[in-house]
Amino acid sequence: GQNIDQPTEMTATEGAIVQINCTYQTSGFNGLFWYQQHAGEAPTFLSYNVLDGLEEKGRFSSFLSRSKGYSYLLLKELQMKDSASYLCAAMDSNYQLIWGAGTKLIIKP
Amino acid sequence: ETGVTQTPRHLVMGMTNKKSLKCEQHLGHNAMYWYKQSAKKPLELMFVYNFKEQTENNSVPSRFSPECPNSSHLFLHLHTLQPEDSALYLCASSQDLLAGGTYEQYFGPGTRLTVT
Repeated sequence: GQNIDQPTEMTATEGAIVQINCTYQTSGFNGLFWYQQHAGEAPTFLSYNVLDGLEEKGRFSSFLSRSKGYSYLLLKELQMKDSASYLCAAMDSNYQLIWGAGTKLIIKP
Repeated sequence: ETGVTQTPRHLVMGMTNKKSLKCEQHLGHNAMYWYKQSAKKPLELMFVYNFKEQTENNSVPSRFSPECPNSSHLFLHLHTLQPEDSALYLCASSQDLLAGGTYEQYFGPGTRLTVT
């Protein structure tokens, strides 16, 4: 079957670095997405990886290892506004997104 | 208006009511999606339309009926719903599924539905 696993909740300190892990199993693979969702709001796109390696975009970076079925989202210089849920989603062979349940990130001062 | 809009933002309906959710995208996309989001569960894909044609129906009960009159508009018609259907219903759009590219999906703000 198709499955995405990510931690339910993580806590980090303002100014620090946090890494949110995601493992996936899909029928075929057409890329790995990360979305951010603040409470009561729509998910917003953060990153897309289809090749192995690290993609850096400002304070956020995303890594993919296709052979391991593994990705992580790295958030640096954490700010209070980064408190949100982070959703991992893998695109299968039919170009449909298989979603994880999300990781709720709590930032403490 | 820009992006993806959804109306209404909140809806309370009884189990015998009929209502419709509306989604409109202003991004020039040709694929549109309905998702259900329940607390602490993954987003559940309900329906996909590509160039107005339904390409996916993930075993959704018939009490949910989608309609896509053109590439910019998507409706979800609701009738005789159950309390367990209470959730956030999200609409999204993307490039058409044959265009290539990243297929990133852009979401609307959602309709918070409560069935009483």
